[in-house]
Amino acid sequence: GAVVSQHPSWVICKSGTSVKIECRSLDFQATTMFWYRQFPKQSLMLMATSNEGSKATYEQGVEKDKFLINHASLTLSTLTVTSAHPEDSSFYICSAQSRTGDSPLHFGNGTRLTVT
Amino acid sequence: TQLLEQSPQFLSIQEGENLTVYCNSSSVFSSLQWYRQEPGEGPVLLVTVVTGGEVKKLKRLTFQFGDARKDSSLHITAAQPGDTGLYLCAGFLGGYQKVTFGTGTKLQVIP
Repeated sequence: GAVVSQHPSWVICKSGTSVKIECRSLDFQATTMFWYRQFPKQSLMLMATSNEGSKATYEQGVEKDKFLINHASLTLSTLTVTSAHPEDSSFYICSAQSRTGDSPLHFGNGTRLTVT
Repeated sequence: TQLLEQSPQFLSIQEGENLTVYCNSSSVFSSLQWYRQEPGEGPVLLVTVVTGGEVKKLKRLTFQFGDARKDSSLHITAAQPGDTGLYLCAGFLGGYQKVTFGTGTKLQVIP
């Protein structure tokens, strides 16, 4: 149980275009979803916290107009990288919690974004 | 300043050797989790520790939560190539705080 599906797993796009990444909890309702960015051999960097039906909370230094997050339902959150640039190339991972606090984080398999 | 510091950052050992990874902080956590992440995948939860001094074992992996709940360690006995991955500790401060991830330890076990 507690499966999180992230799609796509790999995407290449040109500079200036937008890319949407989906994160779905398949067998549970996620009250909260988190979006992370990860550079090679480094830890996870939290970008934003997404709660169903409300605006996402962004971490300091993360541009909310560039990284649009929509948490439309208890099982789906999307991250849209707008006007992508090569420096946005990274590994993006989502996680979902069934309840707040220290309940386990269930992670998607990540999306490798390459902007050319 | 990173809230959770892991050491070492990178570790390469031979199959069969033992190793310990440390996760340290100046903050007190209500609970702490350990995750393992393989390349191209998301992290997978290994264990959650909640009581100061608690020791949990998962086959060849032994996790310990410090008495003061500021630090934790992960000990792997007789490491195998399948243990290769990025190990992340994650601390929870309590209440409505978010889980905070450590700096990560990249483990490579050579056959």
